Amino acid sequence: QQQVKQSPQSLIVQKGGISIINCAYENTAFDYFPWYQQFPGKGPALLIAIRPDVSEKKEGRFTISFNKSAKQFSLHIMDSQPGDSATYFCAASKGSNYQLIWGAGTKLIIKP
Amino acid sequence: DVKVTQSSRYLVKRTGEKVFLECVQDMDHENMFWYRQDPGLGLRLIYFSYDVKMKEKGDIPEGYSVSREKKERFSLILESASTNQTSMYLCASRPGNRAGDGYTFGSGTRLTVV
Repeated sequence: QQQVKQSPQSLIVQKGGISIINCAYENTAFDYFPWYQQFPGKGPALLIAIRPDVSEKKEGRFTISFNKSAKQFSLHIMDSQPGDSATYFCAASKGSNYQLIWGAGTKLIIKP
Repeated sequence: DVKVTQSSRYLVKRTGEKVFLECVQDMDHENMFWYRQDPGLGLRLIYFSYDVKMKEKGDIPEGYSVSREKKERFSLILESASTNQTSMYLCASRPGNRAGDGYTFGSGTRLTVV
């Protein structure tokens, strides 16, 4: 019940296309869902996050879609660029818990 | 700009050696974490600390210990390094426990045990 399942493991998208990464969770107590972006040789960095009281959050070309009934959330990258090539992690946490529960990561490659 | 600094970028150690990985944050954050990152397994929590001298086991604490004598410094210790501890180790800090408190990660230490 603590898991966050992320798919796909890897993804190749043409420049200008839409990249979509999906995550699913079981624990209905989760109330915070961030996405982290990791470039090679760097640690992950917070990209965008959502709370379950909204169904969508958009920041620039990055959008989180949240489906509470399906217990799923996804990251959409519009007009994908080669500079978006990175590993993306979804995560979840509940309340004031110290820990994030992490997805396994998706390696995204944007082909020029 | 906030920073988490890991003392070594790359380390090569021999089996059986005691290994120290150091992490320092300059943000006065309460919480600090040690993760290991392996392909296909994502980030796995080894230990975390929510205060000086306090520590909690994560998901994979076996073979590791930690030390937090000062608020800004969190050390990961491999008591007797083994080849299955070859991995990327990431340190992170977090200001508090509010949901919106993001994690700040260091750039990682790639440890190879031979």
